[in-house]
Amino acid sequence: AQSVTQPDIHITVSEGASLELRCNYSYGATPYLFWYVQSPGQGLQLLLKYFSGDTLVQGIKGFEAEFKRSQSSFNLRKPSVHWSDAAEYFCAVGMDTGRRALTFGSGTRLQVQP
Amino acid sequence: DAGITQSPRYKITETGRQVTLMCHQTWSHSYMFWYRQDLGHGLRLIYYSAAADITDKGEVPDGYVVSRSKTENFPLTLESATRSQTSVYFCASSDSDSSYGYTFGSGTRLTVV
Repeated sequence: AQSVTQPDIHITVSEGASLELRCNYSYGATPYLFWYVQSPGQGLQLLLKYFSGDTLVQGIKGFEAEFKRSQSSFNLRKPSVHWSDAAEYFCAVGMDTGRRALTFGSGTRLQVQP
Repeated sequence: DAGITQSPRYKITETGRQVTLMCHQTWSHSYMFWYRQDLGHGLRLIYYSAAADITDKGEVPDGYVVSRSKTENFPLTLESATRSQTSVYFCASSDSDSSYGYTFGSGTRLTVV
């Protein structure tokens, strides 16, 4: 079965600083990879996804992520963080089957300092 | 309104009672899912459905029952609520195309006392 690890439970960055959130997955083949963001009291919103092709994918709100097969990683990056980016971020993996169910990591809570 | 709606937003129930959480989507998406969110665990899949009358267990199905008689509705029932089922429950839907994108509801916060 696939699994997802987000090693950082909580990250604090200063506004304007760059951001990288780590995600590692375990799966035998190339999975489908996703990043979601959850603001307090809200549902999850899709930031970006990777299925195949270019390993650097662009998402909404200025986020990007890079798929590195050799490292089984799909890290999320943003060059300059805004205070409104404070939220919880979830990495997720899916398989190319009819099941379509995603497996989520445990999340990384981002705090942004002024 | 178009979208995916969950009801109620908040629910407090007593141990042993049956409670049903509702999920309704207006897109006619084929796939629907129930996840629970607990601190330190992220989201864990309870049940999913690929179409009306087709459901299957996820990672943590014990103590839950689902049905899907209509494409747009996917209720989740806790047959006899326990304190360990205190959680935030999210419903999601996805179309059968290749985009794989989920749309999530706003969640139901359930407290079992």
